[in-house]
Amino acid sequence: NAGVTQTPKFRILKIGQSMTLQCTQDMNHNYMYWYRQDPGMGLKLIYYSVGAGITDKGEVPNGYNVSRSTTEDFPLRLELAAPSQTSVYFCASHLGQGVSEQFFGPGTRLTVL
Amino acid sequence: DQQVKQNSPSLSVQEGRISILNCDYTNSMFDYFLWYKKYPAEGPTFLISISSIKDKNEDGRFTVFLNKSAKHLSLHIVPSQPGDSAVYFCAARYTGGFKTIFGAGTRLFVKA
Repeated sequence: NAGVTQTPKFRILKIGQSMTLQCTQDMNHNYMYWYRQDPGMGLKLIYYSVGAGITDKGEVPNGYNVSRSTTEDFPLRLELAAPSQTSVYFCASHLGQGVSEQFFGPGTRLTVL
Repeated sequence: DQQVKQNSPSLSVQEGRISILNCDYTNSMFDYFLWYKKYPAEGPTFLISISSIKDKNEDGRFTVFLNKSAKHLSLHIVPSQPGDSAVYFCAARYTGGFKTIFGAGTRLFVKA
């Protein structure tokens, strides 16, 4: 199993550009999450999904959109990039409610200039 | 308002000694706590967890202690090894929930 994979690893965007961060998991997990980590801060939840076709906002959803058309994929879309979106983005998944831990991807480092 | 707080941004320990990483939480509804370890340029990986019905959980060199009355948990690493040098995140989950709240992390340096 590859686990959780994310692409790209790094990206530099100009203000106003858009991009999609890709996330795929091969563990057949229902729950998937997008987090951002700013320097000296914990992981902040952007969006989450409890299954294909179901998504909901997390703590910091403004400026982002998601979709979940399959169990495996959970892309994160930035429509109009802003410097405040400079961060490291992590995708995670886990099996379901209860005590299971989350599995994280390696992260995407995004810089908006 | 931070619900999970790790007040020490960094900690330096000599190899072979004990590392103690602390975490405080404010919400009494949290009933499951986790520690994740993160190396540079990698995603966090699960280390150890504890349910609120326990006050201690041990896994090899790693032990987590929970003090519910103080809303405090700690991670003990004994003996510390240079490979333990990483950022450690404390995290908490609500009763019956699946969303996880993370602390800001503590960077551990283990000196050889």
